[in-house]
Amino acid sequence: QKEVEQDPGPLSVPEGAIVSLNCTYSNSAFQYFMWYRQYSRKGPELLMYTYSSGNKEDGRFTAQVDKSSKYISLFIRDSQPSDSATYLCAMSVGYGQNFVFGPGTRLSVLP
Amino acid sequence: GAVVSQHPSWVICKSGTSVKIECRSLDFQATTMFWYRQFPKQSLMLMATSNEGSKATYEQGVEKDKFLINHASLTLSTLTVTSAHPEDSSFYICSARGDSGRALGETQYFGPGTRLLVL
Repeated sequence: QKEVEQDPGPLSVPEGAIVSLNCTYSNSAFQYFMWYRQYSRKGPELLMYTYSSGNKEDGRFTAQVDKSSKYISLFIRDSQPSDSATYLCAMSVGYGQNFVFGPGTRLSVLP
Repeated sequence: GAVVSQHPSWVICKSGTSVKIECRSLDFQATTMFWYRQFPKQSLMLMATSNEGSKATYEQGVEKDKFLINHASLTLSTLTVTSAHPEDSSFYICSARGDSGRALGETQYFGPGTRLLVL
């Protein structure tokens, strides 16, 4: 079993839809959870950063962490074609520890 | 947010030559820098972790003599691909993590990547 799992997609949705992206993990010691967006041939861009369980909202993006289920989600409201990218989850066990990345989910938002 | 730059953005070289890629943190001090490679439609593969002033820690399977990493200052790390071969063609991405200030200590900021093509 991989340490972090993510559906690779591709996931296609119409413009305006609510998108749900998810990662599951096996290491219960993970405490820091990040979501990155990567456009084709570009470096990943940090979207959201959360510590431990709970929700965090930033504009159209909401990140949720459920440590009891070892499950994290990123929701995108009112999705736009410009949201079409690969979304990577990442997590670490603590300050100064290396990140473990999910394989990424490719999202296409169709106009 | 914190900005990380990479240079060059793309490079084409002949087999057997060496290529140096620079990674700079522009507005924060990066105590730790990471080097990744990414093949098309695949996720990031961590190659090595470097801390300023010390030797890099390489991931299993990454040849340290082939991928030379130097982290000479808190704002600059370099990756040199020595005697490059076509199978080294890939997208190389660096990231940087700072201790304080504008860069959150527990997250990484990525450079835009360098595309290497070895003929």
